[in-house]
Amino acid sequence: AQRVTQPEKLLSVFKGAPVELKCNYSYSGSPELFWYVQYSRQRLQLLLRHISRESIKGFTADLNKGETSFHLKKPFAQEEDSAMYYCALRQTYNFNKFYFGSGTKLNVKP
Amino acid sequence: GAGVSQSPRYKVAKRGQDVALRCDPISGHVSLFWYQQALGQGPEFLTYFQNEAQLDKSGLPSDRFFAERPEGSVSTLKIQRTQQEDSAVYLCASSLARTGQGYGYTFGSGTRLTVV
Repeated sequence: AQRVTQPEKLLSVFKGAPVELKCNYSYSGSPELFWYVQYSRQRLQLLLRHISRESIKGFTADLNKGETSFHLKKPFAQEEDSAMYYCALRQTYNFNKFYFGSGTKLNVKP
Repeated sequence: GAGVSQSPRYKVAKRGQDVALRCDPISGHVSLFWYQQALGQGPEFLTYFQNEAQLDKSGLPSDRFFAERPEGSVSTLKIQRTQQEDSAVYLCASSLARTGQGYGYTFGSGTRLTVV
């Protein structure tokens, strides 16, 4: 069965420090991985997906199939990055549902 | 509309009461999804519509949960005889893509249901 694990409920860093939000998954096939973000009082929105290999707002994430991980990284955190971050998996044969992790709250301190 | 609209924003129901949650997707969006997000958890899939057809309802937790989208636009999630474990935020999302393959899901703000 597919499962997404985000081991940290809360991550606090100082502005300008590097940040890494961890995500591990279990899935026997070849998944699609995503990061969603929810800023305070805003809707859940897509941040990035692994197949596009893009950098959004300075964030990157690399899919490591050997370690079944998809960690989100940013070299220099900004206060406006404070938000809830959710890692999500979608099966390659079923595009109709996401499996979300329980989320990590990132708090960037001034 | 400009985004996915959900109503009501907040709903308090007494245990045993029936509730109906509404979702207005973006105009023209073919696919519509419902998710349930319990406190401290990530969203969990409930059901998926392609136009008016409910193609996947595998996530509905019990037969007390029922969803419909009769004209392929507005959708209603109904919960009968609500119980305390139904307390959660119910999220609706829509997508232009027919197969759901597109990653362009737009989520609504959700309805926070509290069963007392």
